[in-house]
Amino acid sequence: DVKVTQSSRYLVKRTGEKVFLECVQDMDHENMFWYRQDPGLGLRLIYFSYDVKMKEKGDIPEGYSVSREKKERFSLILESASTNQTSMYLCASSLPAGQGSPLHFGNGTRLTVT
Amino acid sequence: EDQVTQSPEALRLQEGESSSLNCSYTVSGLRGLFWYRQDPGKGPEFLFTLYSAGEEKEKERLKATLTKKESFLHITAPKPEDSATYLCVDRGSTLGRLYFGRGTQLTVWP
Repeated sequence: DVKVTQSSRYLVKRTGEKVFLECVQDMDHENMFWYRQDPGLGLRLIYFSYDVKMKEKGDIPEGYSVSREKKERFSLILESASTNQTSMYLCASSLPAGQGSPLHFGNGTRLTVT
Repeated sequence: EDQVTQSPEALRLQEGESSSLNCSYTVSGLRGLFWYRQDPGKGPEFLFTLYSAGEEKEKERLKATLTKKESFLHITAPKPEDSATYLCVDRGSTLGRLYFGRGTQLTVWP
């Protein structure tokens, strides 16, 4: 079974802090994704990566950056956390889209910015 | 505009009362229609992939079907443990782009 592991289930940070969310997958998937999920808004794509050191902006990249130095690891960085970034963050991985592969999600990180 | 619409938003069923959830999609170039189950506070759990009209997949009390414009998730004789939010997702054909429905929140009461 595919396993996507997010480093923290719950995180509380202060406004202005730099925050790192880590995600590791064990299935050698090329694609990795970061989403945030908010009530009433569904899942929104922040960034995705289709290869090591490659990244593409999603629908809401402002205030975020990402890093993918190794195939199995994809990090989301909040440069200066703000209260409107309080959310559930979900990491996912998949094979390339051409293979019709579903996304496999981690269990999420519930981030609270105070 | 490409989109995925799920209905109803919420559904309450008595244990054993079968029903169906609907997902309609307008995304062109379907590369896979996925169903997920999401429990509160957890990430979505993959259930099924459907690729072509007429295809069906089953798992325990769940059966997913696909037409050219819609997918249905049929729940037969549900149990309280089937309570969750069910998400429909269209893979689409654009790199990195998937189209998520808002989900149907299913509650099954004893």
